[in-house]
Amino acid sequence: GQNIDQPTEMTATEGAIVQINCTYQTSGFNGLFWYQQHAGEAPTFLSYNVLDGLEEKGRFSSFLSRSKGYSYLLLKELQMKDSASYLCAVRDSNYQLIWGAGTKLIIKP
Amino acid sequence: NAGVTQTPKFRVLKTGQSMTLLCAQDMNHEYMYWYRQDPGMGLRLIHYSVGEGTTAKGEVPDGYNVSRLKKQNFLLGLESAAPSQTSVYFCASSWVVSGANVLTFGAGSRLTVL
Repeated sequence: GQNIDQPTEMTATEGAIVQINCTYQTSGFNGLFWYQQHAGEAPTFLSYNVLDGLEEKGRFSSFLSRSKGYSYLLLKELQMKDSASYLCAVRDSNYQLIWGAGTKLIIKP
Repeated sequence: NAGVTQTPKFRVLKTGQSMTLLCAQDMNHEYMYWYRQDPGMGLRLIHYSVGEGTTAKGEVPDGYNVSRLKKQNFLLGLESAAPSQTSVYFCASSWVVSGANVLTFGAGSRLTVL
């Protein structure tokens, strides 16, 4: 079956750096997405990786290794507003999105 | 620019009742989706549509029906609600399914079935 694993919850300190990992086993691969979801709100797009390597976008970066079935989202200079759930999703060979359960990130002052 | 609008935002149903969730998008997107989100689980696709007049089953279609009579609207129906359908429902839309296809989500509809 298809599976995406992420840690359930992580805690970090304001101003610090945190890395959220995502491992996947899917039928084919056509891209990996990270979305942010604040409590009670809709998911919003953060990043997209289809080739191996690092994609940087301001304080957020996302890394992909297709051979290892692995990605991470790196958040720098953490702010309180970064407290949210971070969802990893992989598009499979049928172009369907498979979603992880999300990682709840708690930022402490 | 409204994006994706879902109605209603909250609803409480009794087992066996029926209801329809409405999703409207103003971005001229071809693709529309209905997901459900449950605690400890990833978003699960219920049904989707690749264009006006088309619908297709997703991962968890049982107990739901959909219609896309107009390009901008995608309706999700529950004919006979069950407690297992208590969930938060998200509608989403997108231009295409390839490349850096970004889903735009509605704000969600929280449904409780007693």
